[in-house]
Amino acid sequence: EAGVAQSPRYKIIEKRQSVAFWCNPISGHATLYWYQQILGQGPKLLIQFQNNGVVDDSQLPKDRFSAERLKGVDSTLKIQPAKLEDSAVYLCASSPMGTGFFSTEAFFGQGTRLTVV
Amino acid sequence: GQNIDQPTEMTATEGAIVQINCTYQTSGFNGLFWYQQHAGEAPTFLSYNVLDGLEEKGRFSSFLSRSKGYSYLLLKELQMKDSASYLCAVRPIYNTDKLIFGTGTRLQVFP
Repeated sequence: EAGVAQSPRYKIIEKRQSVAFWCNPISGHATLYWYQQILGQGPKLLIQFQNNGVVDDSQLPKDRFSAERLKGVDSTLKIQPAKLEDSAVYLCASSPMGTGFFSTEAFFGQGTRLTVV
Repeated sequence: GQNIDQPTEMTATEGAIVQINCTYQTSGFNGLFWYQQHAGEAPTFLSYNVLDGLEEKGRFSSFLSRSKGYSYLLLKELQMKDSASYLCAVRPIYNTDKLIFGTGTRLQVFP
């Protein structure tokens, strides 16, 4: 089965520029996550979709970050304008919709390493 | 809210056993995951505990005590390739698809 696909793998931009990342989850997975992972830290959840609806975006800096999953399949995450502190790896993950007690694991893509200079 | 604590770094010798602890405080809890992440790569799933007790999977085992808010990952017969970060993550009861990660424990295995 194909895994979670992300592009690009690497991106270098100047501060105040904009950037977009793309993610295609595993086929049939209802839940899609975007995580930000700063070097030496654990992944931090930015936004969680279930199909094309947002379940949790409480930690998304909405003044500069946006994300969409219009058809409930692939998703894009955008940063506009970027700041130096946005330098991180952006990980996309997907999982089948959990059934409460019998939660299933999330599968991660390779991530996009963003460097803001 | 949620608070998840793990040691930042650990070292061990090839062939040895190492235990990585994770403590959590959460307003509601629906299970705990362990992931392995090699440098520059994506996290990969290792184990999932929802009930108290020990889950064994080859060289890796994971333990959970819900009443103590405590879990550990036990790695036996360490190999050089086990050098990686080990991430503890919890699923809150209010959102059973959400995954909240700790900061991770970087394990270095020496010959």
